[in-house]
Amino acid sequence: QQQVKQSPQSLIVQKGGISIINCAYENTAFDYFPWYQQFPGKGPALLIAIRPDVSEKKEGRFTISFNKSAKQFSLHIMDSQPGDSATYFCAASPNDYKLSFGAGTTVTVRA
Amino acid sequence: NAGVTQTPKFRVLKTGQSMTLLCAQDMNHEYMYWYRQDPGMGLRLIHYSVGEGTTAKGEVPDGYNVSRLKKQNFLLGLESAAPSQTSVYFCASTLLAPHSTDTQYFGPGTRLTVL
Repeated sequence: QQQVKQSPQSLIVQKGGISIINCAYENTAFDYFPWYQQFPGKGPALLIAIRPDVSEKKEGRFTISFNKSAKQFSLHIMDSQPGDSATYFCAASPNDYKLSFGAGTTVTVRA
Repeated sequence: NAGVTQTPKFRVLKTGQSMTLLCAQDMNHEYMYWYRQDPGMGLRLIHYSVGEGTTAKGEVPDGYNVSRLKKQNFLLGLESAAPSQTSVYFCASTLLAPHSTDTQYFGPGTRLTVL
């Protein structure tokens, strides 16, 4: 079974709105939590990542929130733009250079 | 600097046929990976390599073989293709270094259909 559970499967947001994607894990050995963005016909690309020693990381309009005690982390996309329409994957690694990916969330931003 | 490249981009096979997917990276990365992507399943690790001449099984290795004869290349083989292997295959690589952030760089993918 998947070690990282991601929800929702898809979401639609209006331009300027906030997109929120949630992930949960069980393996307490995970210590690296990246988010990847994938456009149709392309390979995934690293968007933003966090380690469990911080509870939040922000890069531009993208923010990761991390709750170590709940074993959950989430991606917030602020001021969503049509160009943000893509599939987003959360992932986790126990620092052995292998990543476990969530199932993905397809985000559609309506203009 | 091309990053990670994959050959071919598309392929259609008949059940029982064999083929090899080629992944090449020009970033001098030690770790290389093969994933398959299926709807609703995310990316699942097939095999990976921690350096030239080494390979290891991932999450879904059955029906696949790999080789890493050169550091820059990682080959994925299907000896007898099955319809269940219809998928999009991605190669990725990672720089192994102290304090590495584990960032994986992905290729553009190979879309394989097995009839």
